[in-house]
Amino acid sequence: SQQGEEDPQALSIQEGENATMNCSYKTSINNLQWYRQNSGRGLVHLILIRSNEREKHSGRLRVTLDTSKKSSSLLITASRAADTASYFCATRGSGSARQLTFGSGTQLTVLP
Amino acid sequence: DVKVTQSSRYLVKRTGEKVFLECVQDMDHENMFWYRQDPGLGLRLIYFSYDVKMKEKGDIPEGYSVSREKKERFSLILESASTNQTSMYLCASSLAGRGDRGYGYTFGSGTRLTVV
Repeated sequence: SQQGEEDPQALSIQEGENATMNCSYKTSINNLQWYRQNSGRGLVHLILIRSNEREKHSGRLRVTLDTSKKSSSLLITASRAADTASYFCATRGSGSARQLTFGSGTQLTVLP
Repeated sequence: DVKVTQSSRYLVKRTGEKVFLECVQDMDHENMFWYRQDPGLGLRLIYFSYDVKMKEKGDIPEGYSVSREKKERFSLILESASTNQTSMYLCASSLAGRGDRGYGYTFGSGTRLTVV
């Protein structure tokens, strides 16, 4: 099955800086989603971008999608200590598939 | 506040035991999913369900079964627990999506299962 691969695996930044995480995938998709997971908890849906969209914003989040390169990026602007978490991209394949395939995640640490 | 509730946060079971993990959602979602999460492996799909009494195998169904007798409840069953099933189990639900429509998942808080 296709899988998103996040890059970098770990990222450490200072509060107030921007954080950029990248995701690559292998086959055509219907949509791509980003999730956040605080340590030991369930995942929380952040944003969904469809295959015919190139960019999407939600608050301090900006997601881009390049289907020709099969890649996406998540930008968190003006990061806060509370943004410390793992971030996962997930892809829904084209066609009738309803399930998401998740990558292994980026661990973001925002230092106060 | 909409919710996916997993019955236990932590569970310790013995090898060979039959284990039931319960998941209930209150959002009238059609789709429900069970994933396991292991360090370095990300989330892997075990089983999912599109509707009551419907089930589909995911990527790693071996050693597991599921039951969906009611729309709001999706149970994961470990027929005979083994130590390699020690993991974090995550349940999720979503609305059905067709074609270009897609919806995000709502996850439960997870069940950390240890098999000894």
